[in-house]
Amino acid sequence: AQSVSQHNHHVILSEAASLELGCNYSYGGTVNLFWYVQYPGQHLQLLLKYFSGDPLVKGIKGFEAEFIKSKFSFNLRKPSVQWSDTAEYFCAVNAGGNTGKLIFGQGTTLQVKP
Amino acid sequence: KAGVTQTPRYLIKTRGQQVTLSCSPISGHRSVSWYQQTPGQGLQFLFEYFSETQRNKGNFPGRFSGRQFSNSRSEMNVSTLELGDSALYLCASSLSGGDSQPQHFGDGTRLSIL
Repeated sequence: AQSVSQHNHHVILSEAASLELGCNYSYGGTVNLFWYVQYPGQHLQLLLKYFSGDPLVKGIKGFEAEFIKSKFSFNLRKPSVQWSDTAEYFCAVNAGGNTGKLIFGQGTTLQVKP
Repeated sequence: KAGVTQTPRYLIKTRGQQVTLSCSPISGHRSVSWYQQTPGQGLQFLFEYFSETQRNKGNFPGRFSGRQFSNSRSEMNVSTLELGDSALYLCASSLSGGDSQPQHFGDGTRLSIL
């Protein structure tokens, strides 16, 4: 069965620190990959997505992610976090086919200290 | 344009009752998916509807059902409620639900079972 694993459940950083959140998935075929963010009191929002092409994708608010097919990974990065990045981050996989079904990781809570 | 609208925002029910949740997708979106979010299990896919037909289904018991209307609005029904059904239920819409299309999420309905 398809699954998504996020290694860090709770991350605490100071402002200006660099961020990397790990995401691994298990599926042998073609996948579409997403990172969503949920700010406190708000709905899930799309940060970035990978479908094909350049494995380094850039999203909103300075976030980027790199798809490494050989490692089944799609890690999220940001060079310098801000207090406003405090949120829960979800990695998700759509394993193809004509469906919008997403498999989510457990989520990572990021707390940025001012 | 208006986002995904879910009603009601909060519900309190008792065991054994049934409940109906509503979701209005973004105008023009024809695919609607439902997810259950709990602290223990994270975000889990319930089902997806497209053109009034259930296109995909997650691993939930038959007490969970849904439907989609000709205007793409969707309802989800849970019968014989159990304590474990307490969760945030999220609705997401996309243009056609293809695997490369990002899902747009609503704010959710928080269901509490007493």
